[in-house]
Amino acid sequence: AQSVTQLDSQVPVFEEAPVELRCNYSSSVSVYLFWYVQYPNQGLQLLLKYLSGSTLVESINGFEAEFNKSQTSFHLRKPSVHISDTAEYFCAVSGDTDKLIFGTGTRLQVFP
Amino acid sequence: GAVVSQHPSRVICKSGTSVKIECRSLDFQATTMFWYRQFPKKSLMLMATSNEGSKATYEQGVEKDKFLINHASLTLSTLTVTSAHPEDSSFYICSARQGPLNTEAFFGQGTRLTVV
Repeated sequence: AQSVTQLDSQVPVFEEAPVELRCNYSSSVSVYLFWYVQYPNQGLQLLLKYLSGSTLVESINGFEAEFNKSQTSFHLRKPSVHISDTAEYFCAVSGDTDKLIFGTGTRLQVFP
Repeated sequence: GAVVSQHPSRVICKSGTSVKIECRSLDFQATTMFWYRQFPKKSLMLMATSNEGSKATYEQGVEKDKFLINHASLTLSTLTVTSAHPEDSSFYICSARQGPLNTEAFFGQGTRLTVV
């Protein structure tokens, strides 16, 4: 069965510092990986996704994630965060079945 | 991106009554819709997956007689919480996908259900 583990429930960081949000998955066959973001009082939005091809995927607002099959990871990184990046970030996986399974989420809090 | 509209955004109901939550894909046809329940400071728990015109597939531990899901058309799915109790109070989120597994799922704004 598919599952997703987000090891950090909260990540506090100062503005302009780099950040990494960790995500590990388990899946028996092909896998599609997603990062969704939920800003305060808003619904979930797709940040980026890995389907196939290049293992490094990027979003339009400076985030990137790298699919690492050997480590079954899909960590999300940003070299310099902004206050506006404060949000809840969810890693998700699909591929074994029709389902989209989410991790428990990581609360990114950016301080000035 | 595509828009998924969920209604109502908030609802308060008395214990023992039923509540219906609607999820509509406004500008695309959703072959698959998902219903999630989000607990405070916890993940989105998948409740069920529904495909248009067929019965929903419920996750283990989700009571199908209590959480009735209807996916009557390619743009509308409904979740009815029957005989609601205070422990059913939660944040319910729907999601809709237009194509296969590797396509993006779009999310509604969620419904805050409070049972008193």
